Amino acid sequence: DTGVSQNPRHKITKRGQNVTFRCDPISEHNRLYWYRQTLGQGPEFLTYFQNEAQLEKSRLLSDRFSAERPKGSFSTLEIQRTEQGDSAMYLCASSSAGTGYQPQHFGDGTRLSIL
Amino acid sequence: AQSVTQPDIHITVSEGASLELRCNYSYGATPYLFWYVQSPGQGLQLLLKYFSGDTLVQGIKGFEAEFKRSQSSFNLRKPSVHWSDAAEYFCAVGVRNFGNEKLTFGTGTRLTIIP
Repeated sequence: DTGVSQNPRHKITKRGQNVTFRCDPISEHNRLYWYRQTLGQGPEFLTYFQNEAQLEKSRLLSDRFSAERPKGSFSTLEIQRTEQGDSAMYLCASSSAGTGYQPQHFGDGTRLSIL
Repeated sequence: AQSVTQPDIHITVSEGASLELRCNYSYGATPYLFWYVQSPGQGLQLLLKYFSGDTLVQGIKGFEAEFKRSQSSFNLRKPSVHWSDAAEYFCAVGVRNFGNEKLTFGTGTRLTIIP
């Protein structure tokens, strides 16, 4: 169990540029979540994958955001035409499927700064 | 919809003193409740969870929490804090919806330890 891995740890970009983040979940976990955390706030749910299927998207996820999990393993989150308001920490979490509620394990996040 | 309130934005305690962090939730059914801890620039680490059964749950690092249904509370406690406990603490409620077990977080409580 090597934990959830996120890359890059930090990303600085100019407004209007596109950015892509990667998340590698714990290998046997088939559920994957993306959250966004702004300064002074708790994480907010963005989207959920079960295997390769994206099953829920929050209203926070505007048309400029897209997430994929092509083979049910790693996931990417892309933001197009970045805006100042996109500056945040983007957290990925994974969990296993089971009969009971399964706790989520979080990565260290990608901090996005928009200049 | 579910929600979590952490009424204390910032708490300062002396090393060796006891600690209680407050959490109130709003949810129609029996909730899945969690406490996570976040060090600066890091992801979230699960401290403890409550699903059902004994209302006093033990977690890692000497933390415990008590679920009180009548008060809709899930307060976190530690009898004697250590300088390494300084961090941000988040209470969260989990909701299951067709396999999506997304978390709703409170705004967090920042804990400062003074020597």
